[in-house]
Amino acid sequence: AQTVTQSQPEMSVQEAETVTLSCTYDTSESDYYLFWYKQPPSRQMILVIRQEAYKQQNATENRFSVNFQKAAKSFSLKISDSQLGDAAMYFCAYRIRTLFGNEKLTFGTGTRLTIIP
Amino acid sequence: DAGVTQSPTHLIKTRGQHVTLRCSPISGHKSVSWYQQVLGQGPQFIFQYYEKEERGRGNFPDRFSARQFPNYSSELNVNALLLGDSALYLCASSRGPIENQPQHFGDGTRLSIL
Repeated sequence: AQTVTQSQPEMSVQEAETVTLSCTYDTSESDYYLFWYKQPPSRQMILVIRQEAYKQQNATENRFSVNFQKAAKSFSLKISDSQLGDAAMYFCAYRIRTLFGNEKLTFGTGTRLTIIP
Repeated sequence: DAGVTQSPTHLIKTRGQHVTLRCSPISGHKSVSWYQQVLGQGPQFIFQYYEKEERGRGNFPDRFSARQFPNYSSELNVNALLLGDSALYLCASSRGPIENQPQHFGDGTRLSIL
């Protein structure tokens, strides 16, 4: 069974600084997706960034980037120039790449990120 | 385009009752998934429906059931409610597994069991 582990229950960062959230996962599959989702107090789960396992290049979306280490099964999220609006719970998630199967997302337990003004 | 819409927003029930939660996917999306998020934890997969057929089922008891309608909207039903069913229930939609696009989530239904 696939598992996702986030070992940092809480993190804090000064506004405008950089912070890195950690995630490790366990799978026997070779073709899959990894995601970071953000859940503010408004509770909607918002996609931050997606990485396809077959791509060696790390994904980036504006101030958000990942460090994907497939052999180590590690998938960390770096947030640069942190802003007050980045404060939220961040969830790492995994999904098998499939054409005909299901789209089940396996989530970690989350990291609560606090931005210090 | 409207996002994923869920109703109701909040719901209070008592033990033993039955509840129905509803989800309307984004226009053009044919896949709907349901997740349960207990306070302080990550979401847990309950069901996925694609083109009105069940494509996946998580480790939940038979008290949980779901269906998808011809317009791709979906209902999640929970019978014989227990205190442990108190959670945020999230619905997510996508175009389907063949498209390999990310799922988009609704705001969820907060279910409280007294």
